[in-house]
Formats: sequence, C-alpha cells, structure tokens
Amino acid sequence: DIVMTQTPLSSPVTLGQPASISCRSSQSLVHSDGNTYLSWLQQRPGQPPRLLIYKISNRFSGVPDRFSGSGAGTDFTLKISRVEAEDVGVYYCMQATHPLYTFGQGTKLEIK
Amino acid sequence: EVQLVESGGGLVQPGGSLRLSCAASGFTFSSYWMHWVRQAPGKGLVWVSRINSDGSSTSYADSVKGRFTISRDNAKNTLYLQMNSLRAEDTAVYYCARRDGYKAGDYWGQGTLVTVSS
Repeated sequence: DIVMTQTPLSSPVTLGQPASISCRSSQSLVHSDGNTYLSWLQQRPGQPPRLLIYKISNRFSGVPDRFSGSGAGTDFTLKISRVEAEDVGVYYCMQATHPLYTFGQGTKLEIK
Repeated sequence: EVQLVESGGGLVQPGGSLRLSCAASGFTFSSYWMHWVRQAPGKGLVWVSRINSDGSSTSYADSVKGRFTISRDNAKNTLYLQMNSLRAEDTAVYYCARRDGYKAGDYWGQGTLVTVSS
C-alpha cells in the first residue's frame, strides 16, 4: 500500500498568517494516464470531510482562493495564505492514483 | 443538490454482521464510482472500499478484504456495504463518498456509526 506521510501533525497558527502542510507519498502518484490524483480534504470538528483540492492544485467548487496546492511526484504541499477562524480543523491528503486509496494521518490546524 | 445519506449503523457483537446503505440523490448515481471510508473515534480517515459505476469492479482495503462486500443498486440509487465477521477494530463512523472523474471524494455523506462490542 502507498503510505502518505503528513507534516506537521499539529499546526498552531495566528489568524491572518499563512499555514503550510506537507504530504509525502511512499511511491510516485503519477497515474498511467499522466494525471496525479492527489487531493486535500478538510474536516471541521463534528463534520464529514470536505474536498478542497484535487489533482494537486485544482480548487474544488466554492473553495476560497486562499487555499492552494502544489507539488509533483511524491511531494505535495497545501498552503493557506491567510488563516481564518473557519479554517480550524484537520487536513488530510489522499492519493487516488493507486487502486487502494490511502490518506495521510491528518494535520490539526488550530489558532494560537 | 448532491446528497448522500448513510444508514444502517448501530451496535453489533463481535462476529456479527451489519449492512450499511447510502442513499444518493441530486445526481445520476449510475454514472459515478462510489467509496466507503471509515473513521474510528478520535482517529484519521481510512479508505475501506470502492465500486465502479456499473458495479462490475470493486476494491478493498486489506483490513476488510474477505469480510466486507461493497455493492450498489443503480435502480434504487443506493450504495451498500455488507460487513461480516465484525471485530472491535471495525468500530468507526462509516462515510460514503462519490468520485467524479478526477475529483476523488467530491461529496460525502454525514456518516453512520458502527460500534462492535459485547
């Protein structure tokens, strides 16, 4: 199975400041069709997960443009340009390239 | 509006069985791959299983292979997860999620809690 490793696991951030989460996969996430199926999801407290970013850097419908994704191959990053109170929650990377999908451990974003 | 509503969770004894359902609405269910993902209390997300749009192809996490079966009824717009030989470690909230082509997990249900305990 592909192992997804996120860092940090906890990220205290001041409101209005940027935040960054890294995700590394144990194997390349480039699919045979040339696409890289790496997504980022947000899970607010008591809520189901919500898709933020798909295919490394594409924002899902309704996602604020302060969220951005980047990376290639095995290394990926989610950035929040200016953290707002509603961004508190746990962020997961997920690979959907290989048949058995896998998630990172999750990164808890909290306000200082 | 896309809606996914899970049901069928509850308390079951170790070794028992349970069938989860996920009722879909607001989109053409038969055109989409669907997934089950679970989350143990206080823990992270774990992918469980997926099924393609016509039900002819399935995949399972190693932890549930041989015990769980994913299926769908496109006429009823419903996704299922038959869970047999349940163990304490299967205790979790089970979510169904949709895949829209490039967008894996674009919509999620609210989840249904399965508790395996004697």
